[in-house]
Amino acid sequence: GDSVTQMEGPVTLSEEAFLTINCTYTATGYPSLFWYVQYPGEGLQLLLKATKADDKGSNKGFEATYRKETTSFHLEKGSVQVSDSAVYFCALSDLTGNQFYFGTGTSLTVIP
Amino acid sequence: DAGITQSPRHKVTETGTPVTLRCHQTENHRYMYWYRQDPGHGLRLIHYSYGVKDTDKGEVSDGYSVSRSKTEDFLLTLESATSSQTSVYFCAIRLGQLYEQYFGPGTRLTVT
Repeated sequence: GDSVTQMEGPVTLSEEAFLTINCTYTATGYPSLFWYVQYPGEGLQLLLKATKADDKGSNKGFEATYRKETTSFHLEKGSVQVSDSAVYFCALSDLTGNQFYFGTGTSLTVIP
Repeated sequence: DAGITQSPRHKVTETGTPVTLRCHQTENHRYMYWYRQDPGHGLRLIHYSYGVKDTDKGEVSDGYSVSRSKTEDFLLTLESATSSQTSVYFCAIRLGQLYEQYFGPGTRLTVT
């Protein structure tokens, strides 16, 4: 079945460091891929998305590229800020759109 | 803001008691979802609905039932709560051609 595997945390970075959070998936066909962010005490917010191979999703300085050949959708940001501290979830939607599969989440802490 | 509210936001209940959580949306979205979030598991789908009185099971549906008698409300019921159902419960709606989902603020349920 469909599934998402993302890098274990927690991750601690200094402000202005480069961020990569790895995400790989297993799915039939070409699923849609997403990154969500969850700030403490809140629900999940959609961060970015991509629907087909080589698509690049971007938002708030974060980017992720849909790589069909490596079944990956790694999240990157060139310079993190303290306000980026949160839990990040990779997710995919199956071909029907009825089922979403989430990774286990990666906690990011950015220190000044 | 997808206009999703959840109630209650926090609840403590005893083992064996019935519990109903409510998800309310204001924008007539057809698809609604219930997830639970637990450490180390990310979010897991409990049930979803694709219209009034149309529902289907997700990955972790045992011990839960749902009802949707009108478009705006999707109810999750624990018929006899157990300690293993202590969790944070999120409701979501689906919109867009990319099947992206938008989440409510969550309900923290503790079963003692």
